[in-house]
Amino acid sequence: DAGVIQSPRHEVTEMGQEVTLRCKPISGHDYLFWYRQTMMRGLELLIYFNNNVPIDDSGMPEDRFSAKMPNASFSTLKIQPSEPRDSAVYFCASSLADGNNEQFFGPGTRLTVL
Amino acid sequence: AQRVTQPEKLLSVFKGAPVELKCNYSYSGSPELFWYVQYSRQRLQLLLRHISRESIKGFTADLNKGETSFHLKKPFAQEEDSAMYYCALPYTGANSKLTFGKGITLSVRP
Repeated sequence: DAGVIQSPRHEVTEMGQEVTLRCKPISGHDYLFWYRQTMMRGLELLIYFNNNVPIDDSGMPEDRFSAKMPNASFSTLKIQPSEPRDSAVYFCASSLADGNNEQFFGPGTRLTVL
Repeated sequence: AQRVTQPEKLLSVFKGAPVELKCNYSYSGSPELFWYVQYSRQRLQLLLRHISRESIKGFTADLNKGETSFHLKKPFAQEEDSAMYYCALPYTGANSKLTFGKGITLSVRP
C-alpha cells in the first residue's frame, strides 16, 4: 500500500483563484481527516469524515473552505476564493475504527497563495 | 475541554546530550497520549503511545497524571533525531479525533 496519497504536492496560485486539494486514504480506513499546518498555529484539524460522512467541520475557518468525500477512496478540500493567509501545508490522514487512534498521514500539499 | 500544551517551539542540543520535549494536557477521564514525529521531507508518523509503554528509537514517554504531563525523553540525542515533534490526545467522546499540540522542533547539532 502506498499509504495516503495527496495531490498536488505543491500548489502556487494567485489570490482569488479556486484551489482544490485531493486525497486518497488508505484502502479500508474508516476515517479521513484534513489538517492545516502553519508555524503560528501548528497542526489544526479542519474537518473529518467517518464512512464518507462529514462528522465535524468546526475547524473549517470560513465559508471559503469546503470538503467532500464522494466515496471511500477520494476526498477533496476546496478553497474558493483563495487568500494569501491560506498559505500553509495541508495534510490528509486516515485511520481505522479499531479504537487504536493511530492516524496515517499523507505527504501534504504545500499551498502558496500570492 | 481537552487541550495539549507544548510550551517550547524549539529545542537545540548537541549530539549526545539528553533531550526532554515537554507536553502538558488537560483531559477529563483517563487520557491516551501520543507523540508524532515529522522528519525532514517525510510524513508525520506515530512515534509512540503511552499505553504501549515501549521505547522507540531510544525515546520514552511516561504519563504523569499528577502533573498532567507526557514528556518525551531520550538520554543521548542523535543527529537523526532532528525533527518536528507533536504531542496529541483524543477528543473526549470522539476517540478517533485527535487534538495536537503546536509542535516543537528538535535540532541536534554535531
